[in-house]
Amino acid sequence: QVQLVQSGAEVKEPGASVKISCKASGYNFNAYAIHWVRQAPGQRLEWMGWINSGNGNTKYSQNFRGRVTFIRESASIAYMDLSSLTSEDTAVYYCARGFEHAGYIDPWGQGTLVTVSS
Amino acid sequence: QSALTQPASVSGSPGQSITISCTGTSSDVGSYNLVSWYQQFPGRVPKVMISEVTERHSGISNRFSGSKSANVASLTISGLQPEDEADYYCSSYAGSGNWVFGGGTKLTVL
Repeated sequence: QVQLVQSGAEVKEPGASVKISCKASGYNFNAYAIHWVRQAPGQRLEWMGWINSGNGNTKYSQNFRGRVTFIRESASIAYMDLSSLTSEDTAVYYCARGFEHAGYIDPWGQGTLVTVSS
Repeated sequence: QSALTQPASVSGSPGQSITISCTGTSSDVGSYNLVSWYQQFPGRVPKVMISEVTERHSGISNRFSGSKSANVASLTISGLQPEDEADYYCSSYAGSGNWVFGGGTKLTVL
């Protein structure tokens, strides 16, 4: 079945960077974009952007531009790298497969909790 | 990019119908029929329920329906059941490859 499995929880100090992986299986990885969405504790879903798994093109939300980088590998793995972390970046980060023509994402990875604390 | 506007909370009794609104702008909800709705239980991963404004996904009860008028999309749940209690988020394509989520609505079944 289609599945996205993310890397484990991270604890980072302010100013550091975090890199999260998202391993896809059960479908043609190159045929779909991978979106990244985050959710701070008790807060709303926040769209971060996407990467076209086929050609590597990216789109970043203006809220994260300059601090976030998406990459993908041929082994059906996508990565999200977020730099200059502050306490406001403490959140669960999700990857999800995108259906661009229909405007939805499904399925979602299990989420990765990133805690930023000194 | 501003989030779509949803009521923070709605409530209803079992058997009743409720509607959750999702207000955007002419640049997102108003311009594209690419509105989707997600259900999220506490501590769980969001799950898509409806996409392209009205299309229910596999396994989603027909008690859930979506609609849109101008810049406002809506999710209606009829015959409310206790298991419907969850957070609901709308999302819309916003042009130029951008997407946006709503602020989320907590549904309480009284």
